[in-house]
Amino acid sequence: QKEVEQDPGPLSVPEGAIVSLNCTYSNSAFQYFMWYRQYSRKGPELLMYTYSSGNKEDGRFTAQVDKSSKYISLFIRDSQPSDSATYLCAMKSGAGSYQLTFGKGTKLSVIP
Amino acid sequence: GAVVSQHPSRVICKSGTSVKIECRSLDFQATTMFWYRQFPKQSLMLMATSNEGSKATYEQGVEKDKFLINHASLTLSTLTVTSAHPEDSSFYICSASGTGALGPEAFFGQGTRLTVV
Repeated sequence: QKEVEQDPGPLSVPEGAIVSLNCTYSNSAFQYFMWYRQYSRKGPELLMYTYSSGNKEDGRFTAQVDKSSKYISLFIRDSQPSDSATYLCAMKSGAGSYQLTFGKGTKLSVIP
Repeated sequence: GAVVSQHPSRVICKSGTSVKIECRSLDFQATTMFWYRQFPKQSLMLMATSNEGSKATYEQGVEKDKFLINHASLTLSTLTVTSAHPEDSSFYICSASGTGALGPEAFFGQGTRLTVV
């Protein structure tokens, strides 16, 4: 079993839809969870960073962490064509460790 | 968020030559930098981790003599692909992490697309 599992998609939704992206993980040592957005041929851009179980909201984006189930989600409300990208979940253990473990990424297309 | 600048964004080189890629943290001190390689439609593959002033730690299967990493200062790390071959053609991305108030997030450069002909 891989440490981080993420459905690669592709996921195609109409403009305005709510998008749900998910990752599961097996390593209970992971404490920090991040979501990155990567446009084609660009470096990943940090979208959200969470530590605690629960929800964190930033504009149209909500990150959700359930440590008991080892499951994290990213919700995008009112999706826009500009949200079309690959979304990578990433996680790491304690604050002293900088190495991230990535999911494979989910390719999202928002259709106008 | 913090800014990481990677240069060049694209490079084409002849087989057998060496190519240097720079990764700079512009507004923070990067104690640790990471170098990744990404193949089309694949996730990021960690190549090596470098801490300022010490030798890089390479992941299994990554040739340290082929991919030379230097992290001479808290704001600059370089990756040199030596004697490049067509199979080294890929998208290389660096990331950097700082300390203290910056938080545990990693910030990425824009990536370098290397094509070896």
